Amino acid sequence: GAVVSQHPSWVICKSGTSVKIECRSLDFQATTMFWYRQFPKQSLMLMATSNEGSKATYEQGVEKDKFLINHASLTLSTLTVTSAHPEDSSFYICSAREWGGAEQYFGPGTRLTVT
Amino acid sequence: GENVEQHPSTLSVQEGDSAVIKCTYSDSASNYFPWYKQELGKGPQLIIDIRSNVGEKKDQRIAVTLNKTAKHFSLHITETQPEDSAVYFCAARDTGKLIFGQGTTLQVKP
Repeated sequence: GAVVSQHPSWVICKSGTSVKIECRSLDFQATTMFWYRQFPKQSLMLMATSNEGSKATYEQGVEKDKFLINHASLTLSTLTVTSAHPEDSSFYICSAREWGGAEQYFGPGTRLTVT
Repeated sequence: GENVEQHPSTLSVQEGDSAVIKCTYSDSASNYFPWYKQELGKGPQLIIDIRSNVGEKKDQRIAVTLNKTAKHFSLHITETQPEDSAVYFCAARDTGKLIFGQGTTLQVKP
């Protein structure tokens, strides 16, 4: 159990375009979802936290107008990178937690390359 | 806020030996401490966790110990196998979000 999926697993886009990444909890209801960014050989950096039906809470330094997060249902959250630039190229990973649960499960990640 | 330090950054062991990774945290209010294994190009996988009301937890070859007074916790892997080679992250959480350590690259030599 406790499976989190992400789609797509990798995406290449041109500079200036927008990209949407989906995150789904497959066998549990995720009241809270998290989006992380990871650069090569580095740790995970939390970008934002979202609770189902509420606006996401962004970490300091993360532009909310650039990284749009939607958590409209208990099994789906989306991250849209708007007007992507090469410096947005990274490994984006979502994570989900069930209400009242301590465990936090991660998706397989999405490799974004902006050319 | 919480700060998590993880050591060592790299660890190389011979197959069959034990591996120990240590983490310290700063916020005494933190009460949940998971460990994740991340293979290249994949998302982190939860391998074991411990809550602040427990001092030790074991799951087959993996164990975690917690010293609340000293604010440190450790991951112990016994009888290491080549497939244990990966990056391991510790994390600490108080009320909301996980704060991760810097990661340890474990290499198990056959």
